[in-house]
Amino acid sequence: EPEVTQTPSHQVTQMGQEVILRCVPISNHLYFYWYRQILGQKVEFLVSFYNNEISEKSEIFDDQFSVERPDGSNFTLKIRSTKLEDSAMYFCASSDVQETQYFGPGTRLLVL
Amino acid sequence: LAKTTQPISMDSYEGQEVNITCSHNNIATNDYITWYQQFPSQGPRFIIQGYKTKVTNEVASLFIPADRKSSTLSLPRVSLSDTAVYYCLVGPGMSGNTPLVFGKGTRLSVIA
Repeated sequence: EPEVTQTPSHQVTQMGQEVILRCVPISNHLYFYWYRQILGQKVEFLVSFYNNEISEKSEIFDDQFSVERPDGSNFTLKIRSTKLEDSAMYFCASSDVQETQYFGPGTRLLVL
Repeated sequence: LAKTTQPISMDSYEGQEVNITCSHNNIATNDYITWYQQFPSQGPRFIIQGYKTKVTNEVASLFIPADRKSSTLSLPRVSLSDTAVYYCLVGPGMSGNTPLVFGKGTRLSVIA
């Protein structure tokens, strides 16, 4: 069964550093998403991406965040200058036009 | 998006049937009901989706009464591995490009 993959599984960084989280969506999917889940809290939507541009973004997705699909397979989330409160699990998801969203296993980001 | 209400937690013994009910009083005409499952430190996983009456797949059944103001996820003969958080989501159609809005979910604990 095809699946969404994410790397790294864990990332520890210093406050103020840039991080890039990587995702490989399911190959024939057209829509891509990033969500995050702070420990003990709800899964929160960050951004959706279609046709090489952002479709929708939440209030959380401020200027410190950016997304990119640098090639035909990868989908990345960059946090330019990490803050302590960015510590969370970050989930990538993908979907086809009329399908549900499939989530990856997540990247646990810890900002010190 | 319609607000959903579901129990915070439930306990069950192995082998029992578990029913988790979700209230969504202000569901819209074009809204579908979708359930996701999340294991600790993993991404949410799609379980089942329905619009009305009953839907069944290899994992669960979803019962939706005629007024659609609630729905019940039924897990037959649960095992320890069904211990997870279960989320009820209400939104337009198959998600396509629509961000998913997660609540706090129901934490199901299956006991031997």
